[in-house]
Order: sequence, then C-alpha cells, then structure tokens
Amino acid sequence: DQQVKQNSPSLSVQEGRISILNCDYTNSMFDYFLWYKKYPAEGPTFLISISSIKDKNEDGRFTVFLNKSAKHLSLHIVPSQPGDSAVYFCAASKGGADGLTFGKGTHLIIQP
Amino acid sequence: DAGITQSPRHKVTETGTPVTLRCHQTENHRYMYWYRQDPGHGLRLIHYSYGVKDTDKGEVSDGYSVSRSKTEDFLLTLESATSSQTSVYFCAISSLSGGAVSGNEQFFGPGTRLTVL
Repeated sequence: DQQVKQNSPSLSVQEGRISILNCDYTNSMFDYFLWYKKYPAEGPTFLISISSIKDKNEDGRFTVFLNKSAKHLSLHIVPSQPGDSAVYFCAASKGGADGLTFGKGTHLIIQP
Repeated sequence: DAGITQSPRHKVTETGTPVTLRCHQTENHRYMYWYRQDPGHGLRLIHYSYGVKDTDKGEVSDGYSVSRSKTEDFLLTLESATSSQTSVYFCAISSLSGGAVSGNEQFFGPGTRLTVL
C-alpha cells in the first residue's frame, strides 16, 4: 500500500542533458509535493515543491511538473551536472503540519 | 543550514538496552519530526510534535516514544532496542508556523546511524 511510488531505482544521464525523475501517488488527499536530494551520510536536502493548485514550479535548473488527474509528478533537471549525482526522493503532504510520505528514491548518476 | 543537530551521530548498542537520540534546533520552529531510513523503504515517519508536550504517532511508531519538554529539543527513545531498529534516524523541522498557509517544507538534520546487535 505504498502511497508514493518512484518506480525507477536508478537513472543514468549524460552531463549536460536533461534528467527526468518520475513519481506517482495514490492518495487523493495529498495536496503538496516536494523533492529532496540526498548524498550518502547526509540528511535529505529540500530542492523544490509544488502545491496541488499549480501544474508547474521552476527554480533555476529544477522544474517540477504536476499532473493531478494522473496523480503523477516529475522533476526535470536541465542541464544535468556531476554534482547532481545523488538519491532523489519524492514526498507528499496532506496539508498542515503532518509528516511527509516519501517514495523509495531514485539514484541519479550523471555520466561525464 | 537549518540549524538542526543530532546526537549521537553514531551508536552501537545491544538488544534490550534503552537508547535515546536527541534532536536540537536553533530555529525556534514549532513542528519537529523523527523519521527512519532503511534500504528499500525511503524515509518513514516515526513520531512528530506540534509543540512542547504535544506529540503524535507516525507510520512506524511501535517500539518508540518521544518527548518534547522544550521547543528546541525533541528526544526519541527506544525503550528496549531490537535488531529491527537498526537504521538511520533523521530529525526534521517544518517551515510552517502556527496558522501558516505555506507548504510543509521540512529541513533535515544530518542523521544518527544506530546499530543494534
């Protein structure tokens, strides 16, 4: 009964190209979505978020797209850089201050 | 940095012993959280706090208790550690303040790696 799914455990992308990480959710109560980046032996770092009333949010090289009808969101990184190699977690919130529900993560590898 | 520290950063203990992990924040945030991260599971919520002496259970709360006697400190206790509690534990604070309408961006500490033998 995983409510947030990241179906690709890993993704390899060439430096300079676009990286697209995908996330699906099943719970219609989720109304806020977040992406985190995590390096080994460190805590997750907040990257970007999006409210369910929007379909796109952009911050520098990072853009998150939300398709509410499909219960799908994606993170685009353009252009991909070596420092982007990390595990990326998708997370969702039902609003308020409740905890986040995380996907299992996607390991992004940027190839030189 | 979000001003969150966790102690200890690493701990090895034996089955059946009590363990307390500490999370300390300097941001005066109201909301605090404890998560655990295990291979193949992402991060899962253990307990969270809405304020001093105000806590609630998360998805995987069995075997854990928490306390928050001061705004800045949130303690996670394993009353009798088991091998299944071997994990990396992360504390987080929320960007939300009481009555805020913005999203619940959470900021994480560096983690505590706990090994229960």
